[in-house]
Amino acid sequence: QVQLQESGPGLVKPSGTLSLTCTVSGGSITSTNWWTWVRRPPGKGLEWIGEIYQSGNTNYNPSLRSRVTISVDKSKNQFSLKLTSVTAADTAVYYCAIRPPRNWFDPWGQGTLVTVSS
Amino acid sequence: QSALTQPASVSGSPGQSITISCTGTSSDVGSYNLVSWYQQHPDKAPKLIIYEVNKRPSGVSNRFSGSRSGNTASLTISGLQADDEADYYCCSYAGFSTWMFGGGTKLTVL
Repeated sequence: QVQLQESGPGLVKPSGTLSLTCTVSGGSITSTNWWTWVRRPPGKGLEWIGEIYQSGNTNYNPSLRSRVTISVDKSKNQFSLKLTSVTAADTAVYYCAIRPPRNWFDPWGQGTLVTVSS
Repeated sequence: QSALTQPASVSGSPGQSITISCTGTSSDVGSYNLVSWYQQHPDKAPKLIIYEVNKRPSGVSNRFSGSRSGNTASLTISGLQADDEADYYCCSYAGFSTWMFGGGTKLTVL
């Protein structure tokens, strides 16, 4: 069974860059899935950030597109998220998840809290 | 891209049924059979409970059911149990290779 685990700094300064990695175990990142990032700001709902396919093709949330980059590292079986010019509004629990060809999101990582603060 | 609209909270007593609505537009919920629902307990990862509007993944109780009418999808939980107390989120394909979640609904089992 595929499992996902997020990792990265829990604190980022305003105007800085948020960088997270999702490590895939129990399966290959070269499988026919889209590898996805979702976040949940405190007290708010889930927000789809974007996704990447093994080929490197990406899709992004239009509201974040100018600041987001998602990349894949096949050699490490990982995919990553970079979000630039962060503000307090980017404080959230960030999840990585799988979107298979049947078009749902499952499984998910446990999530990692990233706080934007000086 | 605005979030799908869900009630902030719903409640019910054990054994009762509740329904959570998820309202979108003709560009998302109303256009695609790609609505899914997720259950999230505190400090846990979201769990898929409904996909493609009304299909249940293997292992999910048949007390959970999904439906759609026009631009509104619904999740019904019958025979409420204490462990159903959680946050619930809907999700829909929104066209142009993008996805959209709802604002979430907190279910309280009284």
